[in-house]
Amino acid sequence: KNEVEQSPQNLTAQEGEFITINCSYSVGISALHWLQQHPGGGIVSLFMLSSGKKKHGRLIATINIQEKHSSLHITASHPRDSAVYICAVNYGGSQGNLIFGKGTKLSVKP
Amino acid sequence: DSGVTQTPKHLITATGQRVTLRCSPRSGDLSVYWYQQSLDQGLQFLIQYYNGEERAKGNILERFSAQQFPDLHSELNLSSLELGDSALYFCASSVAPPYNEQFFGPGTRLTVL
Repeated sequence: KNEVEQSPQNLTAQEGEFITINCSYSVGISALHWLQQHPGGGIVSLFMLSSGKKKHGRLIATINIQEKHSSLHITASHPRDSAVYICAVNYGGSQGNLIFGKGTKLSVKP
Repeated sequence: DSGVTQTPKHLITATGQRVTLRCSPRSGDLSVYWYQQSLDQGLQFLIQYYNGEERAKGNILERFSAQQFPDLHSELNLSSLELGDSALYFCASSVAPPYNEQFFGPGTRLTVL
Protein backbone atom coordinates (compact mmCIF):
# COMPACT_ATOMS: atom_id res chain seq x y z
CA LYS A 1 0.00 0.00 0.00
CA ASN A 2 1.39 3.39 -0.94
CA GLU A 3 1.54 5.52 2.15
CA VAL A 4 2.91 8.87 3.14
CA GLU A 5 3.53 9.36 6.84
CA GLN A 6 4.17 12.71 8.46
CA SER A 7 5.36 13.61 11.92
CA PRO A 8 4.57 15.27 14.14
CA GLN A 9 0.83 15.64 13.64
CA ASN A 10 0.76 18.86 15.65
CA LEU A 11 3.58 21.22 16.53
CA THR A 12 3.62 24.32 18.70
CA ALA A 13 6.69 26.52 18.67
CA GLN A 14 7.82 29.86 20.02
CA GLU A 15 8.68 32.60 17.57
CA GLY A 16 12.29 32.29 16.46
CA GLU A 17 12.58 28.54 16.97
CA PHE A 18 13.96 26.15 14.36
CA ILE A 19 11.28 23.76 13.17
CA THR A 20 11.52 20.36 11.51
CA ILE A 21 8.67 18.40 9.96
CA ASN A 22 9.31 14.88 8.74
CA CYS A 23 7.85 12.81 5.94
CA SER A 24 8.44 9.18 5.05
CA TYR A 25 7.05 7.12 2.22
CA SER A 26 6.82 3.45 1.47
CA VAL A 27 7.89 2.82 -2.13
CA GLY A 28 9.97 4.47 -4.80
CA ILE A 29 8.89 7.91 -5.88
CA SER A 30 9.63 10.23 -8.75
CA ALA A 31 9.11 13.49 -6.87
CA LEU A 32 8.11 14.77 -3.45
CA HIS A 33 6.17 17.96 -2.80
CA TRP A 34 5.82 20.13 0.28
CA LEU A 35 2.61 22.14 0.40
CA GLN A 36 1.34 24.77 2.80
CA GLN A 37 -2.33 25.14 3.64
CA HIS A 38 -3.41 28.28 5.47
CA PRO A 39 -6.41 28.47 7.81
CA GLY A 40 -8.49 29.94 4.99
CA GLY A 41 -7.98 26.68 3.11
CA GLY A 42 -5.81 27.72 0.17
CA ILE A 43 -2.93 25.40 -0.77
CA VAL A 44 0.44 26.73 -1.90
CA SER A 45 3.24 24.65 -3.35
CA LEU A 46 6.46 25.27 -1.42
CA PHE A 47 8.87 22.78 -2.96
CA MET A 48 9.06 19.96 -5.45
CA LEU A 49 12.18 17.84 -5.17
CA SER A 50 13.50 14.51 -6.30
CA SER A 51 16.97 14.62 -4.75
CA GLY A 52 19.18 16.68 -2.48
CA LYS A 53 18.11 19.93 -0.95
CA LYS A 54 16.24 23.11 -1.87
CA LYS A 55 16.08 26.44 -0.06
CA HIS A 56 13.66 29.30 -0.36
CA GLY A 57 14.01 32.10 2.14
CA ARG A 58 13.69 30.60 5.63
CA LEU A 59 12.43 27.28 4.30
CA ILE A 60 14.67 24.33 3.52
CA ALA A 61 13.56 20.97 2.15
CA THR A 62 15.73 17.89 1.99
CA ILE A 63 15.17 14.41 0.67
CA ASN A 64 17.02 11.13 1.16
CA ILE A 65 15.92 8.75 -1.57
CA GLN A 66 17.66 5.72 -0.07
CA GLU A 67 15.98 6.18 3.29
CA LYS A 68 12.66 7.25 1.70
CA HIS A 69 12.55 10.29 3.92
CA SER A 70 12.18 14.04 3.55
CA SER A 71 12.32 16.93 5.99
CA LEU A 72 11.00 20.46 5.87
CA HIS A 73 12.87 22.94 8.03
CA ILE A 74 11.78 26.44 8.98
CA THR A 75 14.46 28.69 10.41
CA ALA A 76 13.63 31.67 12.66
CA SER A 77 9.95 30.73 12.76
CA HIS A 78 7.33 33.46 12.79
CA PRO A 79 3.61 33.48 13.69
CA ARG A 80 2.80 33.92 10.00
CA ASP A 81 4.31 30.45 9.41
CA SER A 82 1.33 29.00 11.30
CA ALA A 83 -0.36 26.68 8.83
CA VAL A 84 -0.77 23.02 7.93
CA TYR A 85 2.23 21.61 6.07
CA ILE A 86 1.48 18.69 3.79
CA CYS A 87 3.91 16.25 2.24
CA ALA A 88 2.81 14.66 -1.04
CA VAL A 89 4.49 12.31 -3.49
CA ASN A 90 4.36 11.28 -7.12
CA TYR A 91 4.84 7.54 -7.21
CA GLY A 92 6.82 6.17 -10.10
CA GLY A 93 4.60 5.27 -13.01
CA SER A 94 1.83 7.65 -12.00
CA GLN A 95 0.54 10.36 -14.30
CA GLY A 96 1.56 13.00 -11.79
CA ASN A 97 -1.33 12.76 -9.37
CA LEU A 98 -0.32 13.34 -5.77
CA ILE A 99 -0.63 11.02 -2.77
CA PHE A 100 -0.81 13.08 0.39
CA GLY A 101 0.25 12.77 3.98
CA LYS A 102 -2.21 13.83 6.65
CA GLY A 103 -0.42 17.09 7.32
CA THR A 104 1.36 18.72 10.23
CA LYS A 105 -0.45 21.56 11.95
CA LEU A 106 2.09 24.17 13.01
CA SER A 107 1.30 26.95 15.44
CA VAL A 108 3.99 29.55 16.13
CA LYS A 109 3.38 31.67 19.22
CA PRO A 110 4.73 35.22 19.48
CA ASP B 1 -2.58 34.05 -6.46
CA SER B 2 -1.75 30.76 -8.22
CA GLY B 3 -3.48 31.69 -11.46
CA VAL B 4 -5.93 28.80 -11.08
CA THR B 5 -9.53 29.87 -10.63
CA GLN B 6 -12.39 27.86 -9.22
CA THR B 7 -16.07 28.68 -9.03
CA PRO B 8 -18.12 28.79 -6.98
CA LYS B 9 -16.26 29.38 -3.71
CA HIS B 10 -19.06 28.00 -1.62
CA LEU B 11 -21.96 25.74 -2.49
CA ILE B 12 -24.75 24.63 -0.18
CA THR B 13 -27.18 22.08 -1.47
CA ALA B 14 -29.42 19.23 -0.40
CA THR B 15 -28.99 15.48 -0.52
CA GLY B 16 -29.90 13.97 -3.86
CA GLN B 17 -29.03 17.10 -5.82
CA ARG B 18 -26.49 17.56 -8.60
CA VAL B 19 -23.82 20.27 -8.74
CA THR B 20 -21.07 21.35 -11.13
CA LEU B 21 -17.73 22.74 -10.00
CA ARG B 22 -15.65 24.68 -12.46
CA CYS B 23 -11.91 25.14 -12.78
CA SER B 24 -9.79 27.26 -15.09
CA PRO B 25 -6.10 26.29 -15.13
CA ARG B 26 -3.15 28.66 -15.25
CA SER B 27 -2.43 30.06 -18.66
CA GLY B 28 -0.29 27.52 -20.53
CA ASP B 29 -1.05 24.58 -18.25
CA LEU B 30 -2.49 21.60 -20.07
CA SER B 31 -3.03 19.25 -17.14
CA VAL B 32 -5.82 19.55 -14.57
CA TYR B 33 -6.18 17.51 -11.39
CA TRP B 34 -9.19 17.31 -9.07
CA TYR B 35 -8.72 16.58 -5.37
CA GLN B 36 -11.16 16.17 -2.50
CA GLN B 37 -10.33 17.20 1.06
CA SER B 38 -12.59 15.89 3.79
CA LEU B 39 -12.06 15.96 7.53
CA ASP B 40 -11.83 12.20 7.89
CA GLN B 41 -10.00 11.26 4.66
CA GLY B 42 -7.67 14.22 4.17
CA LEU B 43 -6.66 15.10 0.62
CA GLN B 44 -7.42 12.49 -2.02
CA PHE B 45 -6.87 12.44 -5.75
CA LEU B 46 -10.04 12.13 -7.82
CA ILE B 47 -9.22 12.46 -11.50
CA GLN B 48 -6.74 14.00 -13.94
CA TYR B 49 -7.07 15.38 -17.45
CA TYR B 50 -4.40 16.34 -19.92
CA ASN B 51 -5.24 18.39 -22.99
CA GLY B 52 -8.84 17.23 -22.98
CA GLU B 53 -8.23 13.54 -22.30
CA GLU B 54 -8.63 11.62 -19.08
CA ARG B 55 -5.20 10.48 -17.88
CA ALA B 56 -5.71 8.96 -14.46
CA LYS B 57 -8.47 8.09 -12.04
CA GLY B 58 -8.23 7.90 -8.29
CA ASN B 59 -10.85 7.44 -5.62
CA ILE B 60 -13.64 8.95 -7.66
CA LEU B 61 -17.15 7.70 -7.04
CA GLU B 62 -19.33 6.58 -9.94
CA ARG B 63 -21.73 9.41 -9.04
CA PHE B 64 -18.95 11.86 -9.91
CA SER B 65 -17.74 12.69 -13.38
CA ALA B 66 -15.48 15.26 -14.96
CA GLN B 67 -14.35 16.59 -18.29
CA GLN B 68 -11.86 19.02 -19.74
CA PHE B 69 -13.03 21.25 -22.54
CA PRO B 70 -11.13 22.47 -25.64
CA ASP B 71 -10.37 25.79 -23.89
CA LEU B 72 -8.78 23.63 -21.13
CA HIS B 73 -11.19 24.55 -18.38
CA SER B 74 -12.53 21.60 -16.46
CA GLU B 75 -15.78 20.75 -14.72
CA LEU B 76 -16.42 18.25 -11.95
CA ASN B 77 -20.00 17.01 -11.78
CA LEU B 78 -21.28 15.55 -8.53
CA SER B 79 -24.70 13.87 -8.58
CA SER B 80 -27.04 12.13 -6.14
CA LEU B 81 -25.25 14.03 -3.42
CA GLU B 82 -24.89 12.52 0.03
CA LEU B 83 -23.98 14.12 3.35
CA GLY B 84 -20.57 12.49 3.11
CA ASP B 85 -19.78 14.39 -0.08
CA SER B 86 -19.42 17.58 1.96
CA ALA B 87 -15.80 18.58 1.49
CA LEU B 88 -13.38 21.04 -0.05
CA TYR B 89 -12.79 20.32 -3.71
CA PHE B 90 -9.52 21.56 -5.16
CA CYS B 91 -8.43 21.83 -8.72
CA ALA B 92 -4.74 22.01 -9.54
CA SER B 93 -2.96 22.52 -12.82
CA SER B 94 0.49 21.84 -14.18
CA VAL B 95 2.27 22.34 -17.46
CA ALA B 96 2.14 18.64 -18.32
CA PRO B 97 2.27 15.30 -16.58
CA PRO B 98 3.81 13.55 -14.96
CA TYR B 99 6.22 15.31 -12.64
CA ASN B 100 5.71 19.01 -12.54
CA GLU B 101 4.87 21.47 -9.82
CA GLN B 102 1.14 21.73 -9.33
CA PHE B 103 -0.63 25.02 -8.72
CA PHE B 104 -3.79 24.83 -6.65
CA GLY B 105 -6.97 26.82 -7.00
CA PRO B 106 -8.67 28.33 -3.94
CA GLY B 107 -11.10 25.42 -3.69
CA THR B 108 -14.86 25.03 -3.64
CA ARG B 109 -16.41 24.29 -0.27
CA LEU B 110 -19.40 22.00 -0.78
CA THR B 111 -21.91 21.55 2.01
CA VAL B 112 -24.61 18.93 1.56
CA LEU B 113 -27.54 19.30 3.98
